[in-house]
Amino acid sequence: AQKITQTQPGMFVQEKEAVTLDCTYDTSDQSYGLFWYKQPSSGEMIFLIYQGSYDEQNATEGRYSLNFQKARKSANLVISASQLGDSAMYFCAMRETDNQAGTALIFGKGTTLSVSS
Amino acid sequence: GAGVSQTPSNKVTEKGKYVELRCDPISGHTALYWYRQSLGQGPEFLIYFQGTGAADDSGLPNDRFFAVRPEGSVSTLKIQRTERGDSAVYLCASSLTGGYTDTQYFGPGTRLTVL
Repeated sequence: AQKITQTQPGMFVQEKEAVTLDCTYDTSDQSYGLFWYKQPSSGEMIFLIYQGSYDEQNATEGRYSLNFQKARKSANLVISASQLGDSAMYFCAMRETDNQAGTALIFGKGTTLSVSS
Repeated sequence: GAGVSQTPSNKVTEKGKYVELRCDPISGHTALYWYRQSLGQGPEFLIYFQGTGAADDSGLPNDRFFAVRPEGSVSTLKIQRTERGDSAVYLCASSLTGGYTDTQYFGPGTRLTVL
């Protein structure tokens, strides 16, 4: 079973609108971290936002917020007031504490976001 | 401060050749990771260093792949007898301590093409 599932291969949004990128995860750990990264066409992975499994409040960073629903094992990224520069691939990732790959990140397959004017 | 840097940015080689990819992490970061990203996929873990030692190399696909970090800073990923299937973007990341809440910061990657 996939550890991180991103079901939307592509999303389209108009400038200034909000968009939600879906992410569900699968873990039996109690302690884990969830991350979102942005990868523009240049290729660099840019960290956006982090949510810890014990955090009671949803994480926010500027225009980014993470809609964390622990019981549903979902960690959706919400981008408010989309900008043309938000067009990129977005990856959801998880790090577990009891993972054969140590503390490595496990990534989903990504969602391509296209913002139009 | 400076971010993670990787050299070269692009590497084209022929099947069977040996290549070295270099990663210079953020100063002071003890944890260093190598990932490989194939086209249209998310990055996949290769190896994790804590200081000078490889704490976990379970992601290395076979014994043609090897990585070192002799002084606990710069790391080199080495691929022997390259194959066309090794073509991918190799990403390096570093984090402050390696804990599960730590943010990993990525370099720009090295695009490896094996002809």
